[in-house]
Amino acid sequence: QKEVEQDPGPLSVPEGAIVSLNCTYSNSAFQYFMWYRQYSRKGPELLMYTYSSGNKEDGRFTAQVDKSSKYISLFIRDSQPSDSATYLCAMSGPGNTGKLIFGQGTTLQVKP
Amino acid sequence: SQTIHQWPATLVQPVGSPLSLECTVEGTSNPNLYWYRQAAGRGLQLLFYSIGIGQISSEVPQNLSASRPQDRQFILSSKKLLLSDSGFYLCAWSAGGSGETQYFGPGTRLLVL
Repeated sequence: QKEVEQDPGPLSVPEGAIVSLNCTYSNSAFQYFMWYRQYSRKGPELLMYTYSSGNKEDGRFTAQVDKSSKYISLFIRDSQPSDSATYLCAMSGPGNTGKLIFGQGTTLQVKP
Repeated sequence: SQTIHQWPATLVQPVGSPLSLECTVEGTSNPNLYWYRQAAGRGLQLLFYSIGIGQISSEVPQNLSASRPQDRQFILSSKKLLLSDSGFYLCAWSAGGSGETQYFGPGTRLLVL
């Protein structure tokens, strides 16, 4: 079993839809949770960062962490064609190497 | 502000040829540095990471090696490329310590023929 599981999709939605992207994980020591967005042929860019459980909102994006269920989510409201990209979840626990464990990534396509 | 550079952007190399990819970071000191490979349609595979000059940890056995000759320079090398080395190579940096986010470079697309 992988430490982090993420459905690769692809996920196709119409413009304006609410998108839900999810990851599950197995290591209860994970405390730091991130979402990256990667456009085709580009490096990933950090989208959201959450420490421990709870919600975090930034514009149209909301990140949720449920440590009891080992489940994290990213919601995109009023999705736009420019949101079409691959979304990678990442997480880490204590330790000074800073290594992140990534999900496989979910490819999202928002159709006009 | 911090900036991370990678070059070349694209590389086509024959099987058996050597490889050298370079990554440099500006605007920070003593970063943790990482090399990843991303196969088409797949996730990120961590290849090497470094927490200081000359300190390299390898995550998977492979045909590649890494070096960190300077604080903000990270090099990925191979003596003889294999077809299976093709992929998208990403360098990333983070500040030291747990919970730090990683920031990625633009990547190098390598095609081995």
